[in-house]
Amino acid sequence: SQTIHQWPATLVQPVGSPLSLECTVEGTSNPNLYWYRQAAGRGLQLLFYSVGIGQISSEVPQNLSASRPQDRQFILSSKKLLLSDSGFYLCAWSPQGRKNYGYTFGSGTRLTVV
Amino acid sequence: AQSVSQHNHHVILSEAASLELGCNYSYGGTVNLFWYVQYPGQHLQLLLKYFSGDPLVKGIKGFEAEFIKSKFSFNLRKPSVQWSDTAEYFCAVNAGGTGGFKTIFGAGTRLFVKA
Repeated sequence: SQTIHQWPATLVQPVGSPLSLECTVEGTSNPNLYWYRQAAGRGLQLLFYSVGIGQISSEVPQNLSASRPQDRQFILSSKKLLLSDSGFYLCAWSPQGRKNYGYTFGSGTRLTVV
Repeated sequence: AQSVSQHNHHVILSEAASLELGCNYSYGGTVNLFWYVQYPGQHLQLLLKYFSGDPLVKGIKGFEAEFIKSKFSFNLRKPSVQWSDTAEYFCAVNAGGTGGFKTIFGAGTRLFVKA
């Protein structure tokens, strides 16, 4: 069966420090991968999505970037964190070519920038 | 651009009360529609979905939703809620057919069920 792993679960980082959040999927090949940010009362905001290795689409201009170095690995990064980057980050995957399948989400990372 | 609107941000019900959470979307073409649920301390998970066929779809734990194309709506219902239904519920939509595959989520509705 397919599983998705996301870590760390919580992270406290100072302003100006770098960031690296990792997400890996098991049990499937060539998934679509997504990074969302969840803010209270504002739902889930799509940050990045990827349809394949090295293929990244950005939805919102921001201080973050994403990379997909391997088929089932998706990384969210920042060179210098801002206070406004605090939030709950979710990784998700869906099968290629099956838009009606729905997403499977990871457990999320609570990032606090201090 | 697609958008999703959930009318209630917070809902408080007593056990055995009926539930209806509103969801409207804006998109002119074929759509796939979803409801996700996030129980306290748990992952966001799929509750039910609609992509074709019978507009009344049934999901896990006694939930159902009805797609009304003329109203651009996909409301979630449950005849009798339980304390364990306390959670946050998200409506979501993506474009069907050959449209883009990005899924847009509503702002969520926090449901609290009083025992």
